[in-house]
Amino acid sequence: NAGVTQTPKFQVLKTGQSMTLQCAQDMNHEYMSWYRQDPGMGLRLIHYSVGAGITDQGEVPNGYNVSRSTTEDFPLRLLSAAPSQTSVYFCASSYSTGLAGSTDTQYFGPGTRLTVL
Amino acid sequence: SQKIEQNSEALNIQEGKTATLTCNYTNYSPAYLQWYRQDPGRGPVFLLLIRENEKEKRKERLKVTFDTTLKQSLFHITASQPADSATYLCALGSDFGNEKLTFGTGTRLTIIP
Repeated sequence: NAGVTQTPKFQVLKTGQSMTLQCAQDMNHEYMSWYRQDPGMGLRLIHYSVGAGITDQGEVPNGYNVSRSTTEDFPLRLLSAAPSQTSVYFCASSYSTGLAGSTDTQYFGPGTRLTVL
Repeated sequence: SQKIEQNSEALNIQEGKTATLTCNYTNYSPAYLQWYRQDPGRGPVFLLLIRENEKEKRKERLKVTFDTTLKQSLFHITASQPADSATYLCALGSDFGNEKLTFGTGTRLTIIP
């Protein structure tokens, strides 16, 4: 199993450009999420999905879009990049039944380091 | 709002000693707490999970405690080795799988040979 894969590893954008960060997992996990990690801020949830066709906002969703057409893929779109979106982005997946007792252990991808000039 | 604090941004420990990292939280009643390890340039990797009704969990040289009265978890690495040098993150979750984890900012641990 490849686990969680992310592309690209690095990206430089100019303000106002748009792009899509790709995320895929081969563990048949229902739950997928996107985080950004900034110095001193920890991991902050951007968007998450509990299954194909279902997405919801996390703590910092503004400026980002997601969709979940398949169980495997969960792309993150930056609509109009801003310098404040310079960060390291992590995609994660987990096996989550949505029932009490489910522990949501997250499997993280290697990250995408994004710089917006 | 929920707040998670990890004791210090950086911690230096002599090789062979026990490293102890702290995770404190406020305005939250988590059902479980997780610890992750993150190496530079990589994504976090899950280490241990402890539930609110468990006092202690062990895995090889790792030990986690969870005190819901103090609202605190301690993460211990015994017989520490330079290879244990990394950033360690705690994360809190509620008892329903679709609820979001809340992560602390992490403690950067360096084991000095």
